[in-house]
Amino acid sequence: ETGVTQTPRHLVMGMTNKKSLKCEQHLGHNAMYWYKQSAKKPLELMFVYSLEERVENNSVPSRFSPECPNSSHLFLHLHTLQPEDSALYLCASSQDRLAGRNEQFFGPGTRLTVL
Amino acid sequence: ILNVEQSPQSLHVQEGDSTNFTCSFPSSNFYALHWYRWETAKSPEALFVMTLNGDEKKKGRISATLNTKEGYSYLYIKGSQPEDSATYLCAFREHSGNTGKLIFGQGTTLQVKP
Repeated sequence: ETGVTQTPRHLVMGMTNKKSLKCEQHLGHNAMYWYKQSAKKPLELMFVYSLEERVENNSVPSRFSPECPNSSHLFLHLHTLQPEDSALYLCASSQDRLAGRNEQFFGPGTRLTVL
Repeated sequence: ILNVEQSPQSLHVQEGDSTNFTCSFPSSNFYALHWYRWETAKSPEALFVMTLNGDEKKKGRISATLNTKEGYSYLYIKGSQPEDSATYLCAFREHSGNTGKLIFGQGTTLQVKP
């Protein structure tokens, strides 16, 4: 148990569907992250939120829309996705985004399949 | 484009063997180097965060060294056990930027046979 939970763990959706991924951290951290891992590729940062403010959008297409209503919750809203968006989506949190010594705590991920 | 390379990509060893793998990262603008362990169907878990050239960290049978001038870090596992089977990720954080962004390598997948 890392203190970061994600739901759902698995999601299958069509290209015209709208769905949301949810992440919750119980660690009192100030920063939260969305990562994507496609097959045979490294973990790739998508978004960073610090104190509910988005501070990084790593050139992510607009069909991915993040939301951070408070420092404990992070959502990733998905709409009109493409089959190539099928991947493992991981959420992480850290105490402070600026301190390089702060390790990130990861959730177990959502395995997304887009048909 | 910042590049983090890990080698080997995969490794199969017998129980009791000691092993090591490498993470290469840009030697300029270094801020921190993270190591994570990722077991199948679980969350990645932090092993070490290293910030100073010459740093050596140890956790049980696992240790890591850091050379920021030449841009590499080694992870060592002494007397591998089947429960060490996992993918080991390193991640580089550069000095500039204020987002806490980590650049991950592709990982080294270790399989320890009993």
